[in-house]
Amino acid sequence: QLQLQESGPGLVKPSETLSLTCTVSSGSISSTSYYWGWIRQPPGKGLEWIGSVYYSGSTYYNPSLKSRVTISVDTSKNQFSLKLNSVTAADTAVYYCARQDFQYASGTYLRGGWFDPWGQGILVTVSS
Amino acid sequence: DIQMTQSPSSLSASVGDRVTITCRASQSISTYLNWYQQKPGKAPNLLIYAASSLQSGVPSRFSGSGSGTDFTLTISSLQPEDFATYYCQQTYITPITFGQGTRLEIK
Repeated sequence: QLQLQESGPGLVKPSETLSLTCTVSSGSISSTSYYWGWIRQPPGKGLEWIGSVYYSGSTYYNPSLKSRVTISVDTSKNQFSLKLNSVTAADTAVYYCARQDFQYASGTYLRGGWFDPWGQGILVTVSS
Repeated sequence: DIQMTQSPSSLSASVGDRVTITCRASQSISTYLNWYQQKPGKAPNLLIYAASSLQSGVPSRFSGSGSGTDFTLTISSLQPEDFATYYCQQTYITPITFGQGTRLEIK
């Protein structure tokens, strides 16, 4: 059964870079059938899609975060990663990684699919 | 961006009740609509994908319907473990967006 596990620092200082890694086990990140996504949830609030990456390195980002986000993949380690720079307190959230089924990738947009399974999530607090 | 609006935002119900949660998209999304259940301190769990397909392992008391802009999630007979927050999600086009959530509480 495929499993995902987020890892990284739980505390980041304002203006610094948040870096998280998602390790995929019992399955290959190099599957042609899936993207791999990051989603976050501020405490007590709803879900926000951050972006998704294909095993080839193709990415789609939420425009609201695009200027600060980089998502990359390391197929040799079966991992994908999130970097969010210039963080503020508003970036405090539980960050989840998930496998993303999809139907169509145009290069401009991604269509279809769903997130399943998800990692357990990691709380990242931005504070000095 | 496509806005997803759920109603109600919160709901109180009793074990055995039939419950319906509604999700409306700001533009047509065909059937690119998924439903998730989230319990406190846990990751969301996929219940329904493509508007009406039941995810493997999900009890049959959960069902989804709709297309275009209006969608519903129905729980036919509430069980104690169903008290949670429910989110709809559109994947018609990126950016992927979620509804604000519906909190289902015990009456």
